[in-house]
Amino acid sequence: ETGVTQTPRHLVMGMTNKKSLKCEQHLGHNAMYWYKQSAKKPLELMFVYSLEERVENNSVPSRFSPECPNSSHLFLHLHTLQPEDSALYLCASSQDLLAGAYEQYFGPGTRLTVT
Amino acid sequence: AQKVTQAQTEISVVEKEDVTLDCVYETRDTTYYLFWYKQPPSGELVFLIRRNSFDEQNEISGRYSWNFQKSTSSFNFTITASQVVDSAVYFCALSEAQTTDSWGKLQFGAGTQVVVTP
Repeated sequence: ETGVTQTPRHLVMGMTNKKSLKCEQHLGHNAMYWYKQSAKKPLELMFVYSLEERVENNSVPSRFSPECPNSSHLFLHLHTLQPEDSALYLCASSQDLLAGAYEQYFGPGTRLTVT
Repeated sequence: AQKVTQAQTEISVVEKEDVTLDCVYETRDTTYYLFWYKQPPSGELVFLIRRNSFDEQNEISGRYSWNFQKSTSSFNFTITASQVVDSAVYFCALSEAQTTDSWGKLQFGAGTQVVVTP
């Protein structure tokens, strides 16, 4: 049990749908992250939040919209997705943002399929 | 440019064999951190170890051991007496402390799939 939960675990959506992914961390951490993991590609960092403020937006298309209402919750709002957005979306948290000093703990991921 | 190279795409072993996963990294920073994560079929990345650039001591944790060699920019991982439950993808990652925007950014290698058969 890593203390980071994600819902839903699986999601199938059409290109015109709107859905949201939810992440919750129970570790008292201050930083949260969204990653995308596609087949045969390295993990891609999408967004980083520290104390509810967005620190990084790694050139992610606007059809992905993050939200961090508090330090325990992180959302990824999805709309008008493309088939190439099908991937495993992983949420992570760390105690703080101090380069490498704190390891990141990951949730189980949401397997997203866009049809 | 790829900062972390895991040259082995897949390694297959029979249970009880030892398996070593290679990781080569590239950085100009003098302060950096190296990590290993395990990703079983369930999908969740499990943190295994963090090493900072000033600590070259090898580490052993149960059947796991890590060999950090700055001279060759390598941080290799060995599983001794492998078990079926070790079947997973293993990722090596680098975090650079001095590069701009490197506040905690993990740069992952492509991963090595380990398959352990009974």
